Amino acid sequence: AQSVTQPDIHITVSEGASLELRCNYSYGATPYLFWYVQSPGQGLQLLLKYFSGDTLVQGIKGFEAEFKRSQSSFNLRKPSVHWSDAAEYFCAVGGKAAGNKLTFGGGTRVLVKP
Amino acid sequence: NAGVTQTPKFQVLKTGQSMTLQCAQDMNHNSMYWYRQDPGMGLRLIYYSASEGTTDKGEVPNGYNVSRLNKREFSLRLESAAPSQTSVYFCASSERTGNTEAFFGQGTRLTVV
Repeated sequence: AQSVTQPDIHITVSEGASLELRCNYSYGATPYLFWYVQSPGQGLQLLLKYFSGDTLVQGIKGFEAEFKRSQSSFNLRKPSVHWSDAAEYFCAVGGKAAGNKLTFGGGTRVLVKP
Repeated sequence: NAGVTQTPKFQVLKTGQSMTLQCAQDMNHNSMYWYRQDPGMGLRLIYYSASEGTTDKGEVPNGYNVSRLNKREFSLRLESAAPSQTSVYFCASSERTGNTEAFFGQGTRLTVV
């Protein structure tokens, strides 16, 4: 079945430590790939997107993501986490391969320890 | 710069009541979406409108209807609310369906008692 999966429901990280959030997809072809962030009580904001080209994508707020076709993954990373990065993060897929609809994973909630 | 505006922000309904959630965007986007967000389930697509005059079912359309009133506005109607429809509802818009950035409203928190 076509799906986008975020295996980690919660992640706790210390301020200043690195962060990696996992995203896997299962589609017949490579969909367009997105990462969104949702701060408490807010709507969603786009962090970055991948359509084609360079497999390492830079986004806002110091985030980057790497597309790995062989692993059907699009993992999000940040080298040094700030307390303001505490939020919920969503991987999403779109484009023709995903039926031209924007479909979201279940989300990963990130807690940042002082 | 309003972006995507949803009204109301909060609503409490009794089982069986009806209501319409309103959404308007000022970015001249072709595509609009309605999602619901429930804990642990991410955002699930209810209905979407690829362009003015068209609407399509998403993943969880049962119990909902939509109207794409014009290019700016996309409303979601609950004809007979049920407790299972307690959720946070998000409207979004994008230039084209599914392959460009989507912009989200602030959400409507709906409780059905």
